Amino acid sequence: DGGITQSPKYLFRKEGQNVTLSCEQNLNHDAMYWYRQDPGQGLRLIYYSQIVNDFQKGDIAEGYSVSREKKESFPLTVTSAQKNPTAFYLCASSTLTGARTGELFFGEGSRLTVL
Amino acid sequence: AQSVSQHNHHVILSEAASLELGCNYSYGGTVNLFWYVQYPGQHLQLLLKYFSGDPLVKGIKGFEAEFIKSKFSFNLRKPSVQWSDTAEYFCAVIARWLDNAGNMLTFGGGTRLMVKP
Repeated sequence: DGGITQSPKYLFRKEGQNVTLSCEQNLNHDAMYWYRQDPGQGLRLIYYSQIVNDFQKGDIAEGYSVSREKKESFPLTVTSAQKNPTAFYLCASSTLTGARTGELFFGEGSRLTVL
Repeated sequence: AQSVSQHNHHVILSEAASLELGCNYSYGGTVNLFWYVQYPGQHLQLLLKYFSGDPLVKGIKGFEAEFIKSKFSFNLRKPSVQWSDTAEYFCAVIARWLDNAGNMLTFGGGTRLMVKP
């Protein structure tokens, strides 16, 4: 089945540690996104990429880093510089047309808790 | 920059009650509008969308939404809710420019709906 796979589903981290969240898609989509979901704040865009080896900052990129070495993969690293990393992280993808029209497909999310 | 407001953060209804969730956006130009739903333990999925044409759009599971351009609103409705509608609902907007490069989908804060059996 085509879709977006995020792993791990749940992750615990000690303060001061970096952690990497995986996102893989087999939809052959060009564009991929990372959103952060906090209660009452909806989804906020962290980073997005529309082509391999290129990515752009979203609204809340500070303390995060990404790479896009392959079309199907867009891992997110939450660094120790992120002041409030405990959140639910959602990966999404779209065609380039979908990027313009707003039609995104989402993974099931990764919940990160910093102890 | 565009913004999206969802007025109700939490809604509790009994089964068979009618539902209306408010969504307002701030952008004076042409927009595409969406409602996404996140059922407990599941991924975010598209409920319905409006690009153009009839401002009353119908989505899955009996949901509908009405785009009122003069009010910058895109409220979600369902005449009779079921327990299985318990979920979090997100309104989202993207501005339609001639060149959409760099323009992103903006989400509202979400509304948690609980339907009591």
